[in-house]
Amino acid sequence: DVVLTQTPSTLSATIGQSVSISCRSSQSLLDSAGNTYLYWYLQRPGQSPQLLIYLVSNLGSGVPNRFSGSGSGTDFTLKISGVEAEDLGVYYCMQATHAPYTFGAGTKLELK
Amino acid sequence: QVTLKESGPGILQPSQTLSLTCTFSGFSLSTYGMGVGWIRQPSGKGLEWLANIWWDDDKYYNPSLKNRLTISKDTSNNQAFLKITNVDTADTATYYCARISRGSVFDYWGQGVMVTVSS
Repeated sequence: DVVLTQTPSTLSATIGQSVSISCRSSQSLLDSAGNTYLYWYLQRPGQSPQLLIYLVSNLGSGVPNRFSGSGSGTDFTLKISGVEAEDLGVYYCMQATHAPYTFGAGTKLELK
Repeated sequence: QVTLKESGPGILQPSQTLSLTCTFSGFSLSTYGMGVGWIRQPSGKGLEWLANIWWDDDKYYNPSLKNRLTISKDTSNNQAFLKITNVDTADTATYYCARISRGSVFDYWGQGVMVTVSS
């Protein structure tokens, strides 16, 4: 199975600070058709996960543009440009290029 | 407006079969490219993908659960189902269903249903 390693596991930020989360894959997520099925989700406390970014860098419906995704191959990054209070929670990356789909262990974003 | 809602037994005993239902609205599982997936999360832990079913009845399972999973759908009633046989305490978790659309995996999630396996 593909292992996704997220760093850091915990991130402390102040409101307005810009932060980045890394997601590294144990193998390339580029498929033979040229697609990279890498996604980012946010799970706020007590809530279901919600889609933030799909296919590496595309913003999900209704997601603020302070969120951005980048990367290729095995290295991917989620950036939040100016953390807001509603951004607190656990961030997960997920790959759907290789079966079975796998998730990273999560990065908890908390207020400093 | 896309919504999904999971339902299940709440509590069951080891060795029983867990039956989960996902009732959705705002999309159809007969539409090309659409699918529904099941994901679970033990309390305080991470996410584990279980299975997907697609508009054309194609199915994919997580091999870590071996042959214990069966996913199915009722297109006319906008429902998807997941059965897990021979449960044990390790299957205690919140179970989510989520929509898959072309290029966008799990773009809408249900609220989740808690399932406890206990004797």
